[in-house]
Amino acid sequence: QQPVQSPQAVILREGEDAVINCSSSKALYSVHWYRQKHGEAPVFLMILLKGGEQKGHEKISASFNEKKQQSSLYLTASQLSYSGTYFCGTARDDKIIFGKGTRLHILP
Amino acid sequence: EAQVTQNPRYLITVTGKKLTVTCSQNMNHEYMSWYRQDPGLGLRQIYYSMNVEVTDKGDVPEGYKVSRKEKRNFPLILESPSPNQTSLYFCASSFQGSGYGYTFGSGTRLTVV
Repeated sequence: QQPVQSPQAVILREGEDAVINCSSSKALYSVHWYRQKHGEAPVFLMILLKGGEQKGHEKISASFNEKKQQSSLYLTASQLSYSGTYFCGTARDDKIIFGKGTRLHILP
Repeated sequence: EAQVTQNPRYLITVTGKKLTVTCSQNMNHEYMSWYRQDPGLGLRQIYYSMNVEVTDKGDVPEGYKVSRKEKRNFPLILESPSPNQTSLYFCASSFQGSGYGYTFGSGTRLTVV
């Protein structure tokens, strides 16, 4: 039931783009995205509700395809501050199940 | 400042000694939840609460108890801790269920020896 995230880890140079994918085997009500820096708590980035909408947050945006039960997080022109582990959380019946995370490391 | 406060931040205890990790939020959120985070496994939900006196099991509830007597507080109780409960624990809250983003506490690192 845990959503599957890919890739597991990404190394980029500052200014490059990245895509993180999240897929679920079950129908979804919403998809959450969080970023966690080492030694800190996860921080909410955005939520996507049913309807296939795409949302944006600075240079970070996401899409949600409810038919395919997939979501993707897009990081454009990455900055050093984007480093961390990104988690998607898929929601059904008021329970959120998180994926195992994608580690993103940005090199200067 | 809107926040979720967990205490303690670090705890080392012995097997079988009952302990409580406290969680309090000041945002008047209805929904609260506990997660544990282990390397390679991500965040796994232990229990959650939709409102006062309403709680339900998450994916890994064995060995844990919770209570929600007040809206702001959601303590996690380990009646008889075991070494496999050594983990990083996070409390989180949201305005109203999974349709809203979560605010996480700073975490409690628990070691059971």
